Amino acid sequence: EVQLVQSGAQVKKPGDSLTISCKASGFTFTTYVIGWVRQMPGKGLEWVGIVYPADSRTKYSPSFRGRVTVSADKSITTAYLQWSSLKASDTAMYYCVRRSGYIHSWGQGTLVTVSS
Amino acid sequence: SYALTQPPSVSVAPGQTARITCGGNNIGSKSVSWYQQKPGQVPVVVVHDDRDRPSGIPERFSGSNSGNTATLTISRVEVGDEADYHCQVWDSSDDHPGVFGGGTKLTVL
Repeated sequence: EVQLVQSGAQVKKPGDSLTISCKASGFTFTTYVIGWVRQMPGKGLEWVGIVYPADSRTKYSPSFRGRVTVSADKSITTAYLQWSSLKASDTAMYYCVRRSGYIHSWGQGTLVTVSS
Repeated sequence: SYALTQPPSVSVAPGQTARITCGGNNIGSKSVSWYQQKPGQVPVVVVHDDRDRPSGIPERFSGSNSGNTATLTISRVEVGDEADYHCQVWDSSDDHPGVFGGGTKLTVL
């Protein structure tokens, strides 16, 4: 069974750093693309970035480039989304996804709340 | 950058046909997927590669894509189809992960 299990909800202050994770199982990690999708409260879906676990190549949406880092460790089949300095506007649900062209599978989501 | 346009809302009576559009420049040359998201739940793919349905998705869900518009059609709409629907495209030659439309709220009257 394909599973993407994400780390738990986080409450942070502006300026804090944060890394959330996504543990994959049930498929060959290096033959798919792993991505992160943001959903702000009451809003639509947005691509944050993707990583190719086979060679660690990454792609970012323009609005997220330079603000976050997407990475993967194929030895432990885990992907990561990292911020070095959070803003209140980063408050959202973040989904880890498995895709080829379309999204095959979704993690359960990690709620990130940034508030002073 | 590439943008996809969806109507914010579509309303339909039970048993009728709902059509949700996704507009983009020459979207017919791209592969479109559609995701259903019910309140508090994770999205689920209902159509991929323009018109293919994953196993378990009813035949009532169908997709088409041509020119500047892709369409998700839901026939014989049921109350349980009420949800947000999101279209998505991705091209492997792009230097970004892909694009989602803004989402459409389907209300079953």
